[in-house]
Amino acid sequence: DVKVTQSSRYLVKRTGEKVFLECVQDMDHENMFWYRQDPGLGLRLIYFSYDVKMKEKGDIPEGYSVSREKKERFSLILESASTNQTSMYLCASARGDYNSPLHFGNGTRLTVT
Amino acid sequence: RKEVEQDPGPFNVPEGATVAFNCTYSNSASQSFFWYRQDCRKEPKLLMSVYSSGNEDGRFTAQLNRASQYISLLIRDSKLSDSATYLCVVNTGFQKLVFGTGTRLLVSP
Repeated sequence: DVKVTQSSRYLVKRTGEKVFLECVQDMDHENMFWYRQDPGLGLRLIYFSYDVKMKEKGDIPEGYSVSREKKERFSLILESASTNQTSMYLCASARGDYNSPLHFGNGTRLTVT
Repeated sequence: RKEVEQDPGPFNVPEGATVAFNCTYSNSASQSFFWYRQDCRKEPKLLMSVYSSGNEDGRFTAQLNRASQYISLLIRDSKLSDSATYLCVVNTGFQKLVFGTGTRLLVSP
C-alpha cells in the first residue's frame, strides 16, 4: 500500500509566522501535489512537482512556495501566514503515467490566528 | 461553467437502497476519471477508476458516457458505512486533475 505521511495532523500558527508543512511518500512516485480543501470550494491545487527540484504552479499558488530536494519529500511553505490560509492541507503523490490516481496523506488542519 | 460539476446532495437513502450519482465534465479531451470517497475530516481515498467500458467492484459500478460528458457511480444495497462524500475527479491533461466539490450520501437504518 502507498503511504503518504504528513508531518502534522493539527497546527496552530500566528499571523506572519513562516510555516512548513512536510510530506513524505514511500512508493517512489514521480509526482507530488499540495492541495487545500475548504467547505464549498472543494480541493484546489496549490503546487505540484513531477521531479526532484521541479515545481509547477497550480490554481492558487499565491502566498505559498514549495521545495522538492528529494524524490520522496515535498514541502509546502507559507512565507508569512495569514488568516485566509486557515484550511485543510492535503498532500498527494502519484506515478508519472497519465492514468495514475492520486494517493493522499491524512491531511494537516492549519489554523492561523 | 465549472470544469467538473456534482450535485452536492445530501442524498438520504435507507439501508439496502440503490443510489446513483452523476458528475459532468466540460473538457471533451479529458482522459481519465476517478471516484474518491471522503469521510468527515479525513483525506480522500480512491474508490475506483472509471474505464471507458464501465467497471464494477462489488456493490459499486462506475460508468463513463463520453458523448454526454458525464461519469456515474451506482451503489447497490447501501450500507450505513457507505455514508460519506463522493468526489468525482477528472484528468484534463498532464496530471491536471480537477476535483468536483463532492456529493454527500447519508444512509439511514
